[in-house]
Amino acid sequence: EVQLVESGGGFIQAGRSLRLSCTTFGFTSGDFALSWFRQAPGKGLEWVGFIRNKPYGGTPEYAASVKGRFSISRDDSKSVAYLVMNSLKSEDTGVYYCARDRVFMVRGVDYYYMDAWGKGTTVTVSS
Amino acid sequence: SYELTQPPSVSVSPGQTARITCSGDALPKKYTYWYQQKSGQAPVLVIYEDNKRPSGIPERFTGSNSGTMATLTISGAQVEDEADYYCYSTVNETTQGVFGGGTKLTVL
Repeated sequence: EVQLVESGGGFIQAGRSLRLSCTTFGFTSGDFALSWFRQAPGKGLEWVGFIRNKPYGGTPEYAASVKGRFSISRDDSKSVAYLVMNSLKSEDTGVYYCARDRVFMVRGVDYYYMDAWGKGTTVTVSS
Repeated sequence: SYELTQPPSVSVSPGQTARITCSGDALPKKYTYWYQQKSGQAPVLVIYEDNKRPSGIPERFTGSNSGTMATLTISGAQVEDEADYYCYSTVNETTQGVFGGGTKLTVL
């Protein structure tokens, strides 16, 4: 069974750093890109960033709202992806989800969509 | 900026057909995906590439994409279909995608 399990959330003061983990089960993590999303209380889903798997370069991309503060990495030997969040702000508060990505190509460009999600981990940033 | 627009809420009685729309200027060139999120739970993919259903998703869920509008149709909606539904579309190689604002479906 495909599973993704997020961990590492909690209460933290503004300005500090936090590392979230996404551990995958039931599939070979190295075969897929992995992405992070968040959902502020009572709000919709927001893409945070994703990291390609090795055959596609293994490189990350980030939403403008977190670029320069957040970083994504992966360790496929442990089936884990990480989201390191620095200089946290109160507006970073929310549930953070990781997801498995499917890739397809259109006219030479790779696109990704999510076909499995974890249950999320809650991050609360106090100001 | 790339935006997708959904109605905030849709309400139907059990057994009726629910239609949730998603509009965006770039939709004619992009696939649309639909995610169901029940209260306190993770999102679940219910439609991908406009009109394909993942295994395990009931046949009452169908999707269509016509010009600048995509539609999720739930034929014979059931109480357990109550959830928030988000449309999603890809953007480009460095911006994975965007979500619509979500539609709360009430079935009662």
